Formats: sequence, C-alpha cells, structure tokens
Amino acid sequence: SQQGEEDPQALSIQEGENATMNCSYKTSINNLQWYRQNSGRGLVHLILIRSNEREKHSGRLRVTLDTSKKSSSLLITASRAADTASYFCATDASGSSYKLIFGSGTRLLVRP
Amino acid sequence: KAGVTQTPRYLIKTRGQQVTLSCSPISGHRSVSWYQQTPGQGLQFLFEYFSETQRNKGNFPGRFSGRQFSNSRSEMNVSTLELGDSALYLCASSLGVARGQDEQYFGPGTRLTVT
Repeated sequence: SQQGEEDPQALSIQEGENATMNCSYKTSINNLQWYRQNSGRGLVHLILIRSNEREKHSGRLRVTLDTSKKSSSLLITASRAADTASYFCATDASGSSYKLIFGSGTRLLVRP
Repeated sequence: KAGVTQTPRYLIKTRGQQVTLSCSPISGHRSVSWYQQTPGQGLQFLFEYFSETQRNKGNFPGRFSGRQFSNSRSEMNVSTLELGDSALYLCASSLGVARGQDEQYFGPGTRLTVT
C-alpha cells in the first residue's frame, strides 16, 4: 500500500512558471526523497531531506518538510519543457530505511 | 561511475512461465532493492538485499523471489506468471549502511509483458 498521496495528480504550466507539488504521508519517517520519472523510464533521484531538516535546496529545486503535518512540498522554479515528467515522493517506512514507500505521483506538463 | 544496469530491458512471456530479471548495482553499493510499477498500484516495494541477505520484504506472494550474489549483483524471479504481473520492474542500489541517509539510485527498469 502507498504511504501517502501527492497533490495535485496532474499539473500543467507554462515554461518559466513555478511548479509546486505536495506530498502527504502517514507514519513517522527518517527521511523523505523526491524522484523524477520520464515516461515509463527509471527514477532519477532529485533530493533527500532528513526528518530533522525543514528546507533544502538543489539548483532550481526547493523542498520543504513539515513533520508535524506529515507533509512535504517540492517547488521547481523557472520551469523548462525538459521538466515535464512524473514526480514522486518516497519515504522510508519507520524502522525499515531501505524500503521506500512511494506516493502516487504528480504528472507535470510544462508547455513551451 | 557507471549507473545501475538492468537486463533485459524488455521481456514478453506467457502466462504460467517463469522469468528472471537481473540488476547490477553501482560499484561499491551493497544494497539492492526491487520495485514493481503498474498503472493501478503505482510503485510497490518487493524486497531488499544487503550482503546476500534479504533484509526487507514487501507484500507480494511467494511467486516473487530474489537473491543477491557476492559481487552485489541481484536477480529476481517470478514463477507461474499471471497477467497481473505485467509491469515495469525497477531495481535500485544504495550504500546500504547509513540508516535514514542513503539515497537510492534506480536503473532504467525491465518492462515485462505477460500474455
């Protein structure tokens, strides 16, 4: 079963705009990771945020984590057509750090 | 450094047959995990191996099994294939020793179609 849900399920924006995706989860975690997947291919690791961190940046990506609300958000700034993909959050089930539980994903379309 | 490789990339099998998928992790990574991705169920964890031992297991029937070799390469086997086993099977590797801090790196996947 999936740990949580992602919101929205699909997002369509214009190139240059910012994209925000949200992820909620159910149980306590050690870390939360975000991945990108292009059209049925493998997952590309984007960023890992630990449970004691509140915000992390990597290039045009900004991730926040609110453990009190069991939620995280991924912000992609100045989006590009190449950012078109599905984005997944994944958490480590408490006590099982190598068993990732994925959200349902957000399909992002960036229109040129 | 070479990434995670999976073979074969595509596979077509018939119901009732069995299949073996292979995964070679990134050099130095000792943990290998397997995931199944389907449109209906999304990404689901199958199992994880570390130093040739299964360390974690998901909620899949016994038809799904795996193993890891001394060089960290891993195989997963599915016996008595069912139509519902059609999926993208993803393998991920990580160092496997830093609880809560490891990033997992995924291979391109093996797309299995059962007819």
